[in-house]
Amino acid sequence: SQQGEEDPQALSIQEGENATMNCSYKTSINNLQWYRQNSGRGLVHLILIRSNEREKHSGRLRVTLDTSKKSSSLLITASRAADTASYFCATADGGSNYKLTFGKGTLLTVNP
Amino acid sequence: NAGVTQTPKFRVLKTGQSMTLLCAQDMNHEYMYWYRQDPGMGLRLIHYSVGEGTTAKGEVPDGYNVSRLKKQNFLLGLESAAPSQTSVYFCASSHEGARAEAFFGQGTRLTVV
Repeated sequence: SQQGEEDPQALSIQEGENATMNCSYKTSINNLQWYRQNSGRGLVHLILIRSNEREKHSGRLRVTLDTSKKSSSLLITASRAADTASYFCATADGGSNYKLTFGKGTLLTVNP
Repeated sequence: NAGVTQTPKFRVLKTGQSMTLLCAQDMNHEYMYWYRQDPGMGLRLIHYSVGEGTTAKGEVPDGYNVSRLKKQNFLLGLESAAPSQTSVYFCASSHEGARAEAFFGQGTRLTVV
């Protein structure tokens, strides 16, 4: 079964706006990761946040983690058309160091 | 540095045929994974390996077999392909399993008719 669930399923914004995507999960985790997938391509790792961290930044990306609510958010600031892609959260279940489980993704469209 | 390479990139099979998908990584990673991606389903784990000579079942292992005879290669086999196995298959590898980032191949688009 899938651990993480992204919300919304699809998001359409204008270039320059901020995009926020959310991920909820069910069981305890060691870490949570966000990946991007351009159409027809493989997934690319964006950022990893550990269970003892609350916020992490990488360029225009900001990720937060609330373990009490079992949720995470990915914020992309000043979006660009090149940010158009699907975004997935992935979790490592608390009892496993091996399996990375992905959600169904959020399709982000950034209009020029 | 090639990273993770999958072959072939595209394949059309007839129902009942068999084939092997090859995944090769040049990063000396211990952990390797096979996922399938279907519309609206996200990525689902088929099988994974935590080191040379080891394999384990993931979420949707039925109809697939795997082998990890060499550390750098992870093979996914379909013994008797079914239309339900039409999907895009992704291989990934990681240095520390789920505790670190995974590197993905570009995918294999498989159609079973």
